[in-house]
Amino acid sequence: EVQLVESGGGLVQPGGSLRLSCAASGFTVSSNYMNWVRQAPGRGLEWVSVLYSGGATYYADSVKGRFTISKDNSKNAVYLQMNSLRAEDTALYYCVRDRGNRGWFDPWGQGTLVTVSS
Amino acid sequence: QSALTQPPSASGSPGQSVTISCSATSSDVGGYNYVSWYQQHPGKAPKLMIYEVSKRPSGVPDRFSGSKSGNTASLTVSGLQAEDEADYYCSSYAGSNNWVFGTGTKVTVL
Repeated sequence: EVQLVESGGGLVQPGGSLRLSCAASGFTVSSNYMNWVRQAPGRGLEWVSVLYSGGATYYADSVKGRFTISKDNSKNAVYLQMNSLRAEDTALYYCVRDRGNRGWFDPWGQGTLVTVSS
Repeated sequence: QSALTQPPSASGSPGQSVTISCSATSSDVGGYNYVSWYQQHPGKAPKLMIYEVSKRPSGVPDRFSGSKSGNTASLTVSGLQAEDEADYYCSSYAGSNNWVFGTGTKVTVL
């Protein structure tokens, strides 16, 4: 079964850092485009970042320079390092595969909640 | 990159059809056929319903269909059923290796 399981969320103070993890099963992250998408409480979906199979990375303007996406092929996992966190980064963070490398976001994990507050 | 524009809400009675629009600029929806649609029930993760404008993943009922005209994409749900009540989001390639989602539409089955 194709599955993604996120972890690492929690409460962090403004300016702090957090590292999210995403464990994949049923497919290999090394040969897929992997994304992070977030959803603030009661709000819509916001694309955050993509990591291409070849290693290139791209970010939304709202997180560029603060967030870093990476992967560990040996662990079949994807990560999101979040630095200089702000209140507006508070959201449920989903790890998502781009199944067709053309924006077929499927499947989605269950999400991990990040709360930035003092 | 601004979010794609969707109506906040849409509704229909069981058996009827509802169409949700997703409007943007020529730099995203209008410029590419990489539009997809997602269904999200409360407290659940989104689910892919339509990809590349009009293609349906296996397992998605054929009551769901997608189309695009110019800078506006649309999702139509025919033969509405109670379980179709959910939030729906469109997504499109926005160029420069970025993706953008719509503002979301809450579909209510009356």
